[in-house]
Amino acid sequence: AQKVTQAQTEISVVEKEDVTLDCVYETRDTTYYLFWYKQPPSGELVFLIRRNSFDEQNEISGRYSWNFQKSTSSFNFTITASQVVDSAVYFCALSEAGNAGNMLTFGGGTRLMVKP
Amino acid sequence: ETGVTQTPRHLVMGMTNKKSLKCEQHLGHNAMYWYKQSAKKPLELMFVYNFKEQTENNSVPSRFSPECPNSSHLFLHLHTLQPEDSALYLCASSQGRLQGAKNIQYFGAGTRLSVL
Repeated sequence: AQKVTQAQTEISVVEKEDVTLDCVYETRDTTYYLFWYKQPPSGELVFLIRRNSFDEQNEISGRYSWNFQKSTSSFNFTITASQVVDSAVYFCALSEAGNAGNMLTFGGGTRLMVKP
Repeated sequence: ETGVTQTPRHLVMGMTNKKSLKCEQHLGHNAMYWYKQSAKKPLELMFVYNFKEQTENNSVPSRFSPECPNSSHLFLHLHTLQPEDSALYLCASSQGRLQGAKNIQYFGAGTRLSVL
């Protein structure tokens, strides 16, 4: 069965610090997709990135970067030079090709607080 | 603005009331979802609709009754709820089964429900 674990429930940093949010997943499928979402205080989950299981290239988008390592079943998310606007709950999620195909399994989320 | 609109944003109801939550998507998607997000709990998938047909009911109590009249609209009818049903109810949409596991779900801002 699939499972996503975000061991860090809360992280607090000071503005301009770098911060890494950890995500570890479990799946028996060889084909799957991993996602990160951001949930600001307004409530909606905002899609950040999707990565398929065959693409282990790291990705950078501005201050955001993602490190996908199949060997450790991890898909970690780093925010460089954090800003107060980055304060939110971040969710990692997994979608397996072997299930109905359009269902996500979410981790418990990591609350990030960036202080000025 | 994610293209998924939920109304109302806040709702307070008594245990004997009947109310409905509404979700509308403007993304041309074919799949819609209801999630429940309680304090300090992972996101719980409740229902999935593909092309207006319910394809997933995650053992949700019958006091929650979904309705999907077309691919753009999704309702959650509530009756005789319990205080433990107080939560943030999130709606999402995606392209659906044709996209398989790589579906990206787009979320609304949610309805924060309080049951007194």
